[in-house]
Amino acid sequence: GEDVEQSLFLSVREGDSSVINCTYTDSSSTYLYWYKQEPGAGLQLLTYIFSNMDMKQDQRLTVLLNKKDKHLSLRIADTQTGDSAIYFCAEIDRGSTLGRLYFGRGTQLTVWP
Amino acid sequence: DTEVTQTPKHLVMGMTNKKSLKCEQHMGHRAMYWYKQKAKKPPELMFVYSYEKLSINESVPSRFSPECPNSSLLNLHLHALQPEDSALYLCASSQDDGPADTQYFGPGTRLTVL
Repeated sequence: GEDVEQSLFLSVREGDSSVINCTYTDSSSTYLYWYKQEPGAGLQLLTYIFSNMDMKQDQRLTVLLNKKDKHLSLRIADTQTGDSAIYFCAEIDRGSTLGRLYFGRGTQLTVWP
Repeated sequence: DTEVTQTPKHLVMGMTNKKSLKCEQHMGHRAMYWYKQKAKKPPELMFVYSYEKLSINESVPSRFSPECPNSSLLNLHLHALQPEDSALYLCASSQDDGPADTQYFGPGTRLTVL
């Protein structure tokens, strides 16, 4: 299976930018996803990027992809207390005929007022 | 609309009970998934249905029995569960079952086995 790594915790002050990092191992072209999970809730798809792209921006969210280092980051601008949640990076298994997702362990983002 | 619905939201059951979890989507998606998530852990894939046929069973114990009555509905039948089966059960769906198909998740059912 694929190996997706994330740091476990991140704390920021309200209004600052948050950067959540992820590394992956698949060397072939792949889709990479960011999901957000609030306490007691399901996973909300935030954004995704295909591995032939370097960057994708969607309102306050910016995804950066460094293909050489297999490093993915999610930047949240002007972080709000409502952004406090667990953020999962996930990679799809392109080697499989089925879309098997491989998740990182999740980064707990805490936003202080 | 990218909504996947799940019922019930919460379920408490004894080890001798039989219960079912239900998942529904009306996006015309042809692949549906069951995941199990323990606290502070990422979701773990249990089953995948593709075009109403079971295509992946991740060596899940037989006390969990999935069913896909039609392309919009996915059930998970539970029988003789153990306390360690207590978890958040998540359903997801995608347009198709290929690697480029984004999975959309439901809110989950919080299951407690006493």
